[in-house]
Amino acid sequence: DTAVSQTPKYLVTQMGNDKSIKCEQNLGHDTMYWYKQDSKKFLKIMFSYNNKELIINETVPNRFSPKSPDKAHLNLHINSLELGDSAVYFCASSHKQGKTEAFFGQGTRLTVV
Amino acid sequence: ELKVEQNPLFLSMQEGKNYTIYCNYSTTSDRLYWYRQDPGKSLESLFVLLSNGAVKQEGRLMASLDTKARLSTLHITAAVHDLSATYFCAVEGGAQKLVFGQGTRLTINP
Repeated sequence: DTAVSQTPKYLVTQMGNDKSIKCEQNLGHDTMYWYKQDSKKFLKIMFSYNNKELIINETVPNRFSPKSPDKAHLNLHINSLELGDSAVYFCASSHKQGKTEAFFGQGTRLTVV
Repeated sequence: ELKVEQNPLFLSMQEGKNYTIYCNYSTTSDRLYWYRQDPGKSLESLFVLLSNGAVKQEGRLMASLDTKARLSTLHITAAVHDLSATYFCAVEGGAQKLVFGQGTRLTINP
């Protein structure tokens, strides 16, 4: 079973549309994240949730809204998509208290046309 | 604000050679991670370094951490083609936020 799974893997959509990316982890972790990887492969955190509570919100436009219905799920909804939103979005999870690494999903490649 | 810098950003080397990737960071942290990313794939955890002087080895890769110098190294011994990938270091910047370096794109030629 995949530890951190995201859907969809690929998403091509027009400017102005609204789209969602879903993420689920079966590792029993407390903390989940969304990271954005741009065309230059640079990875930057967007959001972090711990037990459904928002912990980190890194200067992300309000068009991006994360939702965590429970600690195993963290979804990302994006309104009014813009060309600059094109990127690969990675979900990840980790233990809150443990000194362990974050585990990443396979990524969602979003292309806005 | 925590900054993490890797060098080199691009590295092309021949099989059988040794090389080192460097990761410098700007503020105190005692947790550093190395990840590997193959083209179009996810990030795979390689090493977790949790204390000053920590050294970990897996196959031809060895990572070390010097928290006083705020420096980690990833050493590649007798490189093989299968090690071609992009390697990222990441430092915990508080609240479990990982701050990543720019990545080092490693190409190993036969």
